[in-house]
Amino acid sequence: AQSVTQPDIHITVSEGASLELRCNYSYGATPYLFWYVQSPGQGLQLLLKYFSGDTLVQGIKGFEAEFKRSQSSFNLRKPSVHWSDAAEYFCAVGAREAANAGKSTFGDGTTLTVKP
Amino acid sequence: DAGVTQSPTHLIKTRGQQVTLRCSPKSGHDTVSWYQQALGQGPQFIFQYYEEEERQRGNFPDRFSGHQFPNYSSELNVNALLLGDSALYLCASSLWGAQLRAFFGQGTRLTVV
Repeated sequence: AQSVTQPDIHITVSEGASLELRCNYSYGATPYLFWYVQSPGQGLQLLLKYFSGDTLVQGIKGFEAEFKRSQSSFNLRKPSVHWSDAAEYFCAVGAREAANAGKSTFGDGTTLTVKP
Repeated sequence: DAGVTQSPTHLIKTRGQQVTLRCSPKSGHDTVSWYQQALGQGPQFIFQYYEEEERQRGNFPDRFSGHQFPNYSSELNVNALLLGDSALYLCASSLWGAQLRAFFGQGTRLTVV
């Protein structure tokens, strides 16, 4: 069964500082990987996704993530955080096999606080 | 072009009651998935509908049921509500065969008292 672990429940960074949010997954093969952002009371917005190819993926709002097969990780990074980045971030795994197509498994999220 | 729309945005129900949540997919999409997001947790997959049939189901009891209409809109029904059903219910729409390229709605916040 697929699973996702986000080890950091809450992270606080200063505005302008760099950010890295950790994500580890468990899956039998190379999974589809996603990062979503959720502002309070809102739905999920897709930041970026990895399906295949280049392991460094660029997303919206200046975010990027790197897929590391050997570490079963897909960490999210941003070089300079803005106050508007404060939100909840979710890493998710999507199944490749047809039998489970469309079933995504999410981590429990990391809450990002940005200090002025 | 409207995205995924869900209604209502909030509602409060009493234990034991039944509730129906609604979702209109993004224009051009034919597949709808439902997720439950409890407070402090990530979304959990409930089920997915395509061609008016349930195609995938997560680990949820039979109290959770759904329906898809010919216009691709969908309903999520929950019977015999429990306090633990309080959550944000998210709908995601996509094209069949491209379910991982899904768009999410803003969700319905259900509170069971």
